[in-house]
Amino acid sequence: NAGVMQNPRHLVRRRGQEARLRCSPMKGHSHVYWYRQLPEEGLKFMVYLQKENIIDESGMPKERFSAEFPKEGPSILRIQQVVRGDSAAYFCASSPRTGGAIYEQYFGPGTRLTVT
Amino acid sequence: DQQVKQNSPSLSVQEGRISILNCDYTNSMFDYFLWYKKYPAEGPTFLISISSIKDKNEDGRFTVFLNKSAKHLSLHIVPSQPGDSAVYFCAASASNTGKLIFGQGTTLQVKP
Repeated sequence: NAGVMQNPRHLVRRRGQEARLRCSPMKGHSHVYWYRQLPEEGLKFMVYLQKENIIDESGMPKERFSAEFPKEGPSILRIQQVVRGDSAAYFCASSPRTGGAIYEQYFGPGTRLTVT
Repeated sequence: DQQVKQNSPSLSVQEGRISILNCDYTNSMFDYFLWYKKYPAEGPTFLISISSIKDKNEDGRFTVFLNKSAKHLSLHIVPSQPGDSAVYFCAASASNTGKLIFGQGTTLQVKP
């Protein structure tokens, strides 16, 4: 049973370029969450998605950041016109959460974005 | 506004002894709490969780205690092993949301 998959593991972008981070949830999980960890900090929630729906994007920066989880394929976190402050580790998590119940979230290995 | 706080950035214990990691929270809407362990360059690994209807949950060497009145939880690791050396994150969630709110982490070092 494969865990949460993220790719690429490392991504280097120049300022102004676009970054696309991909996440495939665990089999049977239909809920995906994105978190960001800045250096020397804890993980910060960014966005919560179900298939074809954004449930909560309260942690997403208002500009340049977007996320999707299409009916087919992985979830994508997209950062347009990257700046040095976007350099961080981006983690994806998934859970089988249904209804109002809470389930543990299982994390992928992360994508380390470096903006030069 | 730090809703989940881990006030000890680091902790060092001897192998075989007990490790106690602490976590405080401020939001009374939180009703589910989790501990994650993280190695460098890896994603967090789920360790143990507890619902607010309980005050203790045990899984092998790991026990989580919840004191709702004090808005405090702790993770006990007994006995501690060198392989437990990692960063431990406390996280909290409210049942009407999906997101986890994480503390800043505590780096545990278990010395042989």
